[in-house]
Amino acid sequence: AQTVTQSQPEMSVQEAETVTLSCTYDTSENNYYLFWYKQPPSRQMILVIRQEAYKQQNATENRFSVNFQKAAKSFSLKISDSQLGDTAMYFCAFMNFNAGKSTFGDGTTLTVKP
Amino acid sequence: DAEITQSPRHKITETGRQVTLACHQTWNHNNMFWYRQDLGHGLRLIHYSYGVQDTNKGEVSDGYSVSRSNTEDLPLTLESAASSQTSVYFCASSDTGEQFFGPGTRLTVL
Repeated sequence: AQTVTQSQPEMSVQEAETVTLSCTYDTSENNYYLFWYKQPPSRQMILVIRQEAYKQQNATENRFSVNFQKAAKSFSLKISDSQLGDTAMYFCAFMNFNAGKSTFGDGTTLTVKP
Repeated sequence: DAEITQSPRHKITETGRQVTLACHQTWNHNNMFWYRQDLGHGLRLIHYSYGVQDTNKGEVSDGYSVSRSNTEDLPLTLESAASSQTSVYFCASSDTGEQFFGPGTRLTVL
């Protein structure tokens, strides 16, 4: 069974600064997806970014980028130029290519301070 | 626009009652999921379905059941609600990649 570990329950960052959220996972699979989801106070889960394991290039979406280290089974999220609206809980998730269900980490609560 | 909806958004019930939470998606996704999220924690998978007439147990399925009679709906039933089932429930659907989530249902069992 796959496991996903987010070792930072809470983090804070000053507005406009950069922050990195950590995620490690354990799997014996070779083909899989990794995701970061954001859950703001509204509780709505929103996809932030996705990474296919076969792609060597790290995914980026505007201010959000990942550092995907397949051998180390590490998948960190970097948020640049943090904004107040980035305040949320962030979940890392793993999904096998051939399976529809995902395994989620316990989340990191990020607070962006003005 | 395609969407996934849940109803009700809030529900208060009593111990021992049967409760059904609705989930409806217009994405035409084959995969649908039910999770519970307890305060300050991540998502735990209750049940999931890969298509019509297909249902599977997740990691916390005891006390819950689902049925899939069409592509759009996956209702979650609590057979006899218990206080331990007080939680926020999320429905999600997917095709081959990321999951799309509903807005959640906050359930309180008194």
